[in-house]
Amino acid sequence: EVQLVESGGGLVQPGGSLRLSCLGSGFIFDDFVLHWVRQAPGKGLEWVSSISWNGRDIHYADSVRGRFTISRDNRKNSLFLQMDNLRIDDMASYFCAKGMGILGGAFDYWGQGTLVAVSS
Amino acid sequence: DIQLTQSPSFLSASVGDRVTITCRASQVIRSYLAWYQQKEGKAPKLLIYATSTLQRGVPSRFSGSGSGTGFTLTISSLQPEDFATYYCQQLNAYPHSFGQGTKVEIK
Repeated sequence: EVQLVESGGGLVQPGGSLRLSCLGSGFIFDDFVLHWVRQAPGKGLEWVSSISWNGRDIHYADSVRGRFTISRDNRKNSLFLQMDNLRIDDMASYFCAKGMGILGGAFDYWGQGTLVAVSS
Repeated sequence: DIQLTQSPSFLSASVGDRVTITCRASQVIRSYLAWYQQKEGKAPKLLIYATSTLQRGVPSRFSGSGSGTGFTLTISSLQPEDFATYYCQQLNAYPHSFGQGTKVEIK
C-alpha cells in the first residue's frame, strides 16, 4: 500500500524557518516525481514545488521561489521542504504528493498534510 | 503561467442529479488535465487523469472530457458520498496550477 506521511509542521514567527519531511512507503521511491501542494485555511489548492526522481529538475511557484528549497533523499525514501523567511500568507496545510510516473503526471497519492502556522 | 477557471464555484444538487463542472484553461494544455475530489479535512483524491482516464477504484459515474482549453467533469448520478469540493489541475507545464474549486452541496 502506497503511503506518504508528512511531518515537521508547527507554529513559527514571521521570518522564521521550518523543514517539512515526507516519508514514502509502498512504492519504488526513486521512480517518481514528487510534489508539495499547500492549502490555506478555507482556500483552494496551490501547487508549491516539484522535484524529479534524481533531484536534478526542480520547479517552484513564484510565491515561494528564493525562500523554499525542495530536496529528496532516495536512500531514505524521504522528501523535504526547507521553508525560510516564512510569511503570514505561507500559513497552510502542506501536502506531499506522488506523481504517476518518472516524467510526472497527475498526483495519484497524497499525504494527510502537516499544518504550518505563521504568527507573531 | 496557465490559469484554470472552474465554473460554477458552488453547486447545489440532489442525490441522483447529473452534475457537470467546467474547467477552462487560459491556453492550450492538450490532454494534460486531472480532476481531484476533496472532502473536508482530508487530502485530495485523484479521480481522473489525462482528461478522461478514470483512476483505479473510482466509480464509473465519474467521467471527464474535453480538449485544448475546455474540459468537463460529469457525475452521472450524484451519490451522498460525492458531496465535496472538486478541483481541476493542468499538468501541461509548470507551474502545475489548480482551478479555484467547485463545492458541491446537498440541495
